[in-house]
Amino acid sequence: GQNIDQPTEMTATEGAIVQINCTYQTSGFNGLFWYQQHAGEAPTFLSYNVLDGLEEKGRFSSFLSRSKGYSYLLLKELQMKDSASYLCAVNRDDKIIFGKGTRLHILP
Amino acid sequence: DTAVSQTPKYLVTQMGNDKSIKCEQNLGHDTMYWYKQDSKKFLKIMFSYNNKELIINETVPNRFSPKSPDKAHLNLHINSLELGDSAVYFCASTLGGARNEQFFGPGTRLTVL
Repeated sequence: GQNIDQPTEMTATEGAIVQINCTYQTSGFNGLFWYQQHAGEAPTFLSYNVLDGLEEKGRFSSFLSRSKGYSYLLLKELQMKDSASYLCAVNRDDKIIFGKGTRLHILP
Repeated sequence: DTAVSQTPKYLVTQMGNDKSIKCEQNLGHDTMYWYKQDSKKFLKIMFSYNNKELIINETVPNRFSPKSPDKAHLNLHINSLELGDSAVYFCASTLGGARNEQFFGPGTRLTVL
């Protein structure tokens, strides 16, 4: 994914917290998206970070550090329906480049 | 319903055939995209149109030809289909380009036999 790295798979327990990391090359950076994709469905938007810091939206939060080329998606109070792939996507020179996604498995 | 729609949802065809996939959005967006998601679930941009004009054309074989008759429609025609073209093709749209949320269509699963 043009140097966008995220773990391939993660496993967490229902009710717990999980952090999915994403690192990227900083050249031409214009912002970073997180999308959720359930199996057999289309990606849906979760968050967009342009400035450094943490943005919270309900159980999901997204963090960005532009100088480090680093972002994470934090999911709290995990539910079984959170089992999905989470795609990190970078706006590089106004073109969206997706990472390969992190498949998150939630155990009861 | 306001949405991004694609037809067909499933497409099974023989190698060497020519096929088209259609996409329509009624969200009033000005930018539309075609993505290919392969068996490893890697989502890769193919084309982007802004107000009917091609703005992104990734390294895609010229067997793939997009066409935007108006800013609400972006179709994809594929000539001489190959086995490696088997994938899910997603259409997406956004307002104001790449700095805003993309809305994805449901996808077209293409299987080339």
